[in-house]
Amino acid sequence: GQQLNQSPQSMFIQEGEDVSMNCTSSSIFNTWLWYKQDPGEGPVLLIALYKAGELTSNGRLTAQFGITRKDSFLNISASIPSDVGIYFCAGWKTSYDKVIFGPGTSLSVIP
Amino acid sequence: EAGVTQFPSHSVIEKGQTVTLRCDPISGHDNLYWYRRVMGKEIKFLLHFVKESKQDESGMPNNRFLAERTGGTYSTLKVQPAELEDSGVYFCASSLQETQYFGPGTRLLVL
Repeated sequence: GQQLNQSPQSMFIQEGEDVSMNCTSSSIFNTWLWYKQDPGEGPVLLIALYKAGELTSNGRLTAQFGITRKDSFLNISASIPSDVGIYFCAGWKTSYDKVIFGPGTSLSVIP
Repeated sequence: EAGVTQFPSHSVIEKGQTVTLRCDPISGHDNLYWYRRVMGKEIKFLLHFVKESKQDESGMPNNRFLAERTGGTYSTLKVQPAELEDSGVYFCASSLQETQYFGPGTRLLVL
């Protein structure tokens, strides 16, 4: 079946540092999504990417939809303590379809 | 506007017992999804309702799981009888168009 791989699995960084994480897929997706899950909460959508090559920013977050449609990355600039959480990449092939999630990258920010 | 709500937030049961999880989607959202995250792995799709109809139930693990959405509003997911491997976090999501909004999840522990 479809599978997404995320790297790194976990990260420990100093407050103020930039963060980069990526996601690769064994198959093509038409939409890439990045979610963040805070402890005790459900995933919240951060960024959605709809076109190959698309680069989208949301505040300190920047994400890109890879040209091959099989990968995406998420960058966080100038990290702050509230960035702590699990970041999931996800994708779907068509709208309204089930979302396929990656295993997540756990981010810890040391003040 | 209220988000997706789930009840209970936590459930601890013994193997062989029955548990029913409830999801209240955002009002007016026809699409309702159930997902599950087991033992820190990726979040996996279980099924998708459009109103009261099951659009896709390809992710349901076995016939111990029964999902309903009578009247096309809230949904229930019943596990009977529960097994140890059913432990995990069960998320519900709803959508009007493309973006799926997730609930906080029900943390199920089967002992």
